[in-house]
Amino acid sequence: GAVVSQHPSWVICKSGTSVKIECRSLDFQATTMFWYRQFPKQSLMLMATSNEGSKATYEQGVEKDKFLINHASLTLSTLTVTSAHPEDSSFYICSAQTGTFAKNIQYFGAGTRLSVL
Amino acid sequence: DAKTTQPPSMDCAEGRAANLPCNHSTISGNEYVYWYRQIHSQGPQYIIHGLKNNETNEMASLIITEDRKSSTLILPHATLRDTAVYYCIVRPTDSWGKLQFGAGTQVVVTP
Repeated sequence: GAVVSQHPSWVICKSGTSVKIECRSLDFQATTMFWYRQFPKQSLMLMATSNEGSKATYEQGVEKDKFLINHASLTLSTLTVTSAHPEDSSFYICSAQTGTFAKNIQYFGAGTRLSVL
Repeated sequence: DAKTTQPPSMDCAEGRAANLPCNHSTISGNEYVYWYRQIHSQGPQYIIHGLKNNETNEMASLIITEDRKSSTLILPHATLRDTAVYYCIVRPTDSWGKLQFGAGTQVVVTP
């Protein structure tokens, strides 16, 4: 299957700082990328959908000013957690696919574990 | 969006076939059934997907009932590395291809 690389895999930061997570599709062009969050012992929760060259679409309840998403190229999307607080500590996972159709497979990165002190 | 129902957990003996059920009684005609799995502390891994025909790949087989209201994922020869949470997801065609994850089935493969 296609490879999606996510970096960093683990980050610790102080409260009030910002953290950027990168998501890259290594061997295909991803017109659509997704960002998820997963708390311990819970399922993945979709945060936002981003299409290359346009603004991200956020799910209800997700603060767009706090979770900044940039999808500037067909192989790279970034998630910036601004002014992070301990409650933002979570496992963040990105995924990528070609196109927006249900038949297109969505491939996931390995995830980034964020710990905010 | 169509919802899915899966058993919360299943045990399976190593080397035996694992049959994972999923109910999706409200599925629409053009919605796909997707299966992913998530091994602890990793990102989800795509397994297989189908619309109405049975599908098979190197990882698994997907059996979809004729009325499409349920499906079964079959891992033909389970290994210890197949221990994971398995998610059955019905994917709508008109919402940017979003995947909505439920609770999934925790599968534990034992020696």
